[in-house]
Amino acid sequence: GAGVSQSPSNKVTEKGKDVELRCDPISGHTALYWYRQRLGQGLEFLIYFQGNSAPDKSGLPSDRFSAERTGESVSTLTIQRTQQEDSAVYLCASSLKVAGATGELFFGEGSRLTVL
Amino acid sequence: GDSVTQMEGPVTLSEEAFLTINCTYTATGYPSLFWYVQYPGEGLQLLLKATKADDKGSNKGFEATYRKETTSFHLEKGSVQVSDSAVYFCALSDRYTGGFKTIFGAGTRLFVKA
Repeated sequence: GAGVSQSPSNKVTEKGKDVELRCDPISGHTALYWYRQRLGQGLEFLIYFQGNSAPDKSGLPSDRFSAERTGESVSTLTIQRTQQEDSAVYLCASSLKVAGATGELFFGEGSRLTVL
Repeated sequence: GDSVTQMEGPVTLSEEAFLTINCTYTATGYPSLFWYVQYPGEGLQLLLKATKADDKGSNKGFEATYRKETTSFHLEKGSVQVSDSAVYFCALSDRYTGGFKTIFGAGTRLFVKA
């Protein structure tokens, strides 16, 4: 597709349930990022993929959070046993990894997660 | 580690007023610097960028100059419009493990009144 696509756009779940969020990056973009944006706050880095490996998982808040990526394509962010503090917009972004690239990120519209 | 600090909002201006949103950074390498904008109900999008010291990024009347000596990348616009109301994020991108890692400031919300 032309841009970064995320699904679902909106997810309401009950505390304790698992959720899976999906990101489809721009074709040819080898780097993929997940960020979390709580209401009225800035972007919190979660995890970064280069291809299908994750050199930096330092931002994952707890072991309830995990992410994987298939090749240089779709990524899924999974949150197990959701808690109310997980409520946020989860943003995915992709970027090129080529010589001279400046690290510009292209964002999806986000998945809004509400945990009741 | 790398970090970005930007002025707290919200900032409220009247139409045609001059805008400055301050941003300073710390980085161990030679980062690229960015301003991203998030309009109400929309996703983040790149507003402008600068890749090396003394570069000026500009777009839609907004400007920012990469100042290495003061580690700053302040966003300015000479005459704001109501349509500029949004949240503005300063960010840096540094080479990292074969790619880039981008770190964002906390964001500054701008309200422009007619």
